[in-house]
Amino acid sequence: GQNIDQPTEMTATEGAIVQINCTYQTSGFNGLFWYQQHAGEAPTFLSYNVLDGLEEKGRFSSFLSRSKGYSYLLLKELQMKDSASYLCAVRGRQTGANNLFFGTGTRLTVIP
Amino acid sequence: KAGVTQTPRYLIKTRGQQVTLSCSPISGHRSVSWYQQTPGQGLQFLFEYFSETQRNKGNFPGRFSGRQFSNSRSEMNVSTLELGDSALYLCASSLEVVRAQETQYFGPGTRLLVL
Repeated sequence: GQNIDQPTEMTATEGAIVQINCTYQTSGFNGLFWYQQHAGEAPTFLSYNVLDGLEEKGRFSSFLSRSKGYSYLLLKELQMKDSASYLCAVRGRQTGANNLFFGTGTRLTVIP
Repeated sequence: KAGVTQTPRYLIKTRGQQVTLSCSPISGHRSVSWYQQTPGQGLQFLFEYFSETQRNKGNFPGRFSGRQFSNSRSEMNVSTLELGDSALYLCASSLEVVRAQETQYFGPGTRLLVL
């Protein structure tokens, strides 16, 4: 089976740094994705990790440890527009399969 | 390039009815996946289509079905609607199905309310 856990809600201050954790247990692993979803909108792609280590992309970074089944999304210099849900998703190892297994998402609120 | 489009955006149905939702992928994308999103369960995978063939299916009852046309547009159908089917239904498209890092691009979703 698939199990992906992330905190339900987080609050952080504008200009600060926040780390959103994700732990997973899946039957096979073929990459981990982070998506951002503003209320009432479609999820948008943020990052992809398949090898251990840190991937940096501007204010956002994503880290993966396959041996620990763990990832985090790091948001720096928080802005009010970063208030959104952040979804962790894992692609299982199945040839030709494109489906993702999602966590329930972390709702981040950025306060002034 | 236009993004993924879904129609209708909002829908109200009653229990027992059936519903058909439509998804047009990004031009050139051949893989279309469908997801159900609810507050309690998050995003759950329904099924995936590639070249008019269902490649993968999630753990949903047979009331949920789908198909893909030769132009890669896809439809999903839910028969005998239940109250618990109220959700946001998201469609996602991607170029290929075999590359692990292939990113899925989501449409705005269809919000279905079953009364």
